[in-house]
Amino acid sequence: NAGVTQTPKFQVLKTGQSMTLQCAQDMNHEYMSWYRQDPGMGLRLIHYSVGAGITDQGEVPNGYNVSRSTTEDFPLRLLSAAPSQTSVYFCASSQTGNTIYFGEGSWLTVV
Amino acid sequence: AQRVTQPEKLLSVFKGAPVELKCNYSYSGSPELFWYVQYSRQRLQLLLRHISRESIKGFTADLNKGETSFHLKKPFAQEEDSAMYYCAFISYNTDKLIFGTGTRLQVFP
Repeated sequence: NAGVTQTPKFQVLKTGQSMTLQCAQDMNHEYMSWYRQDPGMGLRLIHYSVGAGITDQGEVPNGYNVSRSTTEDFPLRLLSAAPSQTSVYFCASSQTGNTIYFGEGSWLTVV
Repeated sequence: AQRVTQPEKLLSVFKGAPVELKCNYSYSGSPELFWYVQYSRQRLQLLLRHISRESIKGFTADLNKGETSFHLKKPFAQEEDSAMYYCAFISYNTDKLIFGTGTRLQVFP
């Protein structure tokens, strides 16, 4: 039981490049979400999903895309990376009403 | 607006001193409140949730609906308590976890 797994752990991108942060959970959780963590701003919700085939926007969705084709996977796509997207990204999952589990984080730098 | 406020960015104490990390929430209903902890460059871990009313690693938190607060307390801080602490809540019938901006606790020897 690996919990929530994120890849890659570290990534450097050039402005304008696109990439996908992968997130997988093996707990059969319905709810998955992506947060970004920035100094002084805490964690802000980017996108979330309440089940396969269903996604919705969080507080800061611009510049990001998500899909939920399976219960296990919830990738986050950066369409055209910008320096403002330099951050630490956390994926999370839970079964409704229960504890939310976080991945280890992905450190992204956009130069 | 639904919001969690942690007024202190940094709290520094000496080992053995009492600790109180403040958290206030703004929500019209009955939220479910949590404290998460993040040790250096690690994932966030659940520390406490108010419905379980338990004590983890010596920390406790009591929900005060009158003051809309959920302060985290520990009577005697330890060096290993040094971490980032986030207060968060889930609004009723959703799993959207809303975080405060976090408080960094530094415990000096």
